[in-house]
Amino acid sequence: AQSVSQHNHHVILSEAASLELGCNYSYGGTVNLFWYVQYPGQHLQLLLKYFSGDPLVKGIKGFEAEFIKSKFSFNLRKPSVQWSDTAEYFCAVNARDSSYKLIFGSGTRLLVRP
Amino acid sequence: DAMVIQNPRYQVTQFGKPVTLSCSQTLNHNVMYWYQQKSSQAPKLLFHYYDKDFNNEADTPDNFQSRRPNTSFCFLDIRSPGLGDAAMYLCATSRAHLSYNEQFFGPGTRLTVL
Repeated sequence: AQSVSQHNHHVILSEAASLELGCNYSYGGTVNLFWYVQYPGQHLQLLLKYFSGDPLVKGIKGFEAEFIKSKFSFNLRKPSVQWSDTAEYFCAVNARDSSYKLIFGSGTRLLVRP
Repeated sequence: DAMVIQNPRYQVTQFGKPVTLSCSQTLNHNVMYWYQQKSSQAPKLLFHYYDKDFNNEADTPDNFQSRRPNTSFCFLDIRSPGLGDAAMYLCATSRAHLSYNEQFFGPGTRLTVL
């Protein structure tokens, strides 16, 4: 069965610090990869996605993620976080052969201190 | 703006009293999903509709049912809510495409069971 692991459940950073959130998945086939963000009191929204091509993808608000196939990883990065990045971040995987099903990780709560 | 709307945002029900949550979309997407998200956990897919075709997840309890009367609306019925059903319920939509499955989420309905 497919699964997604996010190893950091809570992360606390100061503004301007660099961010890297880990995401690993278990599935042997071809996958689509996503990062969703949920700001306090708001709905889940897409941050960035990878389907194919350049494994380094850029998303909104200065976020990027790198797909490393050999490590089954899709880590999220941002060079300099802002207080407004305080949110919960979910990694998600969709296997190409079950295209309607999105498997989420358990999420990482990021708190950015001003 | 095209969007996914969920009503109500907060729902309180009594143990065993049936409750219906609603979701509507203006995106004209073929696929609609219902997720259950408990505190500090990943969203868990309950079922989805591809047009009128209903697809239940194997581990979704029989207590949960769904209806999709037309493209725009989808309902989640909980026949006899238990205390363990208290959660955030998320509706999402996507266009049907084999290699692309970005899902758009509504704001969720937080269900409290007394």
